[in-house]
Amino acid sequence: GAVVSQHPSWVICKSGTSVKIECRSLDFQATTMFWYRQFPKQSLMLMATSNEGSKATYEQGVEKDKFLINHASLTLSTLTVTSAHPEDSSFYICSARGAGAGTDTQYFGPGTRLTVL
Amino acid sequence: AQSVTQLGSHVSVSEGALVLLRCNYSSSVPPYLFWYVQYPNQGLQLLLKYTSAATLVKGINGFEAEFKKSETSFHLTKPSAHMSDAAEYFCAVSDGSLEYGNKLVFGAGTILRVKS
Repeated sequence: GAVVSQHPSWVICKSGTSVKIECRSLDFQATTMFWYRQFPKQSLMLMATSNEGSKATYEQGVEKDKFLINHASLTLSTLTVTSAHPEDSSFYICSARGAGAGTDTQYFGPGTRLTVL
Repeated sequence: AQSVTQLGSHVSVSEGALVLLRCNYSSSVPPYLFWYVQYPNQGLQLLLKYTSAATLVKGINGFEAEFKKSETSFHLTKPSAHMSDAAEYFCAVSDGSLEYGNKLVFGAGTILRVKS
């Protein structure tokens, strides 16, 4: 099946610094990628949707200047948490769908745990 | 707006026993429904999906789910639990095919424990 990877799997940073998380589709072209956030014991909440080569569409309540999303190629999307603060600590999950993997199915990465001190 | 409720954040069954994970949804249009499984340190994997065809959907690893419109439910079952089924399971709903930009809305997840 289609594989989506994320890097890093976990990261710890100091308050005020920026952190970049990568999401890659390994064996298909991801025309659309999604970024989710998951708090402990809660469901995945969609943060934004991005189509390759276009600006991301953010969900209501998500600060686009805080969570910068880039989807410059068909296999890579990045999420940058700018000026991170402890309340940004969470589990971030990406998913992708696209040609070669069934456009009606989303494939998920393993997630990145961010801890901001 | 759609929503999903998964009853029971933790379910424990004995090996060989029936697995039943409950999911109720709310949607203003005919829904598409999904079950995903997440093993530790891995991404969510699609188990099965309902897309307005047959109401009984069979998925991978012996799992199946039945869409019941009158009960707004999409419970996941497996006749005989295996130790390898221990994982977290997520139910999700969308307003239509993901191919047309519809979004997934997830439940909070149910952790399945299988006792030997």
